[in-house]
Amino acid sequence: DGGITQSPKYLFRKEGQNVTLSCEQNLNHDAMYWYRQDPGQGLRLIYYSQIVNDFQKGDIAEGYSVSREKKESFPLTVTSAQKNPTAFYLCASSIAPGQGKPEAFFGQGTRLTVV
Amino acid sequence: DQQVKQNSPSLSVQEGRISILNCDYTNSMFDYFLWYKKYPAEGPTFLISISSIKDKNEDGRFTVFLNKSAKHLSLHIVPSQPGDSAVYFCAASGGLISGGSNYKLTFGKGTLLTVNP
Repeated sequence: DGGITQSPKYLFRKEGQNVTLSCEQNLNHDAMYWYRQDPGQGLRLIYYSQIVNDFQKGDIAEGYSVSREKKESFPLTVTSAQKNPTAFYLCASSIAPGQGKPEAFFGQGTRLTVV
Repeated sequence: DQQVKQNSPSLSVQEGRISILNCDYTNSMFDYFLWYKKYPAEGPTFLISISSIKDKNEDGRFTVFLNKSAKHLSLHIVPSQPGDSAVYFCAASGGLISGGSNYKLTFGKGTLLTVNP
């Protein structure tokens, strides 16, 4: 059953700590994305990756880092430099340009709360 | 600067009537538009899409209309059902027709649709 799995669903972090959110997909998609959703806001792009070992900053990359060592995995680290990390984080994947339509599929999200 | 705008934060309709959700965009490079439906604490699910070479796409109760000259699209749901109550996000991408280098999506802020029984 193909899809995107995010873990954990809920995560609590103390101020000053780094935390890593997991995202795995078995859709064989080349591209993966991290978005952040805040109340009353749309989804804002943090980072995206078109291919293994390559990634690009999105609109709000400050305070975040990513890696793409495997096609299936795109973990997001929220560092202590992120001033307002409490949010709902969504991972998505899609095919690459030239392969078809740009329809992204999303995971179920991780709710991160700073305590 | 918001490139994709959903100016109505909420919409309330009666069951069986039509729901019309609107979306405007400013970036002329966008060539593919999508609607997603989202429930609280869940990821968005893809609903329907349209490319810039079309002006209408229909899928069951859902129809998306695109007016390129006005940079405006709308989602029509007929008839509306209580299960349609959710937040609807409009999203746009460049690169499908223009041969861009990525498919990243730009989202609006969403419209909360409430369908009353």
